Amino acid sequence: SQQGEEDPQALSIQEGENATMNCSYKTSINNLQWYRQNSGRGLVHLILIRSNEREKHSGRLRVTLDTSKKSSSLLITASRAADTASYFCATDAKSSGDKLTFGTGTRLAVRP
Amino acid sequence: SQTIHQWPATLVQPVGSPLSLECTVEGTSNPNLYWYRQAAGRGLQLLFYSVGIGQISSEVPQNLSASRPQDRQFILSSKKLLLSDSGFYLCAWSVGYPTDTQYFGPGTRLTVL
Repeated sequence: SQQGEEDPQALSIQEGENATMNCSYKTSINNLQWYRQNSGRGLVHLILIRSNEREKHSGRLRVTLDTSKKSSSLLITASRAADTASYFCATDAKSSGDKLTFGTGTRLAVRP
Repeated sequence: SQTIHQWPATLVQPVGSPLSLECTVEGTSNPNLYWYRQAAGRGLQLLFYSVGIGQISSEVPQNLSASRPQDRQFILSSKKLLLSDSGFYLCAWSVGYPTDTQYFGPGTRLTVL
């Protein structure tokens, strides 16, 4: 069953703007990860945030986690055309055993 | 550094034909290995994972099978492909706990006609 659901499904912004993607999940988690996928390629890990953390930064990326709302957000600041990709959240739910469950992704298009 | 290889990159097969996709990892020992399938425009579906040689866990009952003949080799197979087997197949590896960071291969695009 789908644990993570990203919102919006698709996002189109102008280069230089910020992009925010959200992920909601259903059951308690150990950690939550964000991955990026360029068209026709494999996924690339971006950030892992643990259930006892509220915010993490990596370069232009900022991830927040609100376990009370069962949601996470990924913010990309000062977007570039090269940020065009699909972004997935993946959850490690306490009830799901030794596996990650991926959401359906947000397709981000950054217009030059 | 660690690298992960998948081949072939693309494959077109007729319905009812066999399948063998291979994944190998270099630069690490005793990795956890995973096979995922991704339908067009969708998320990833975990098919199989392995925490050691000969140890395979199946997540979805279907006509696919997986094997791990060597520590860093993971093979996805089918005896008879179905149209519904079409998709993008991704291999991944991780170390330590299976739900820590996963590192993905470039994928195989399979089209069953």
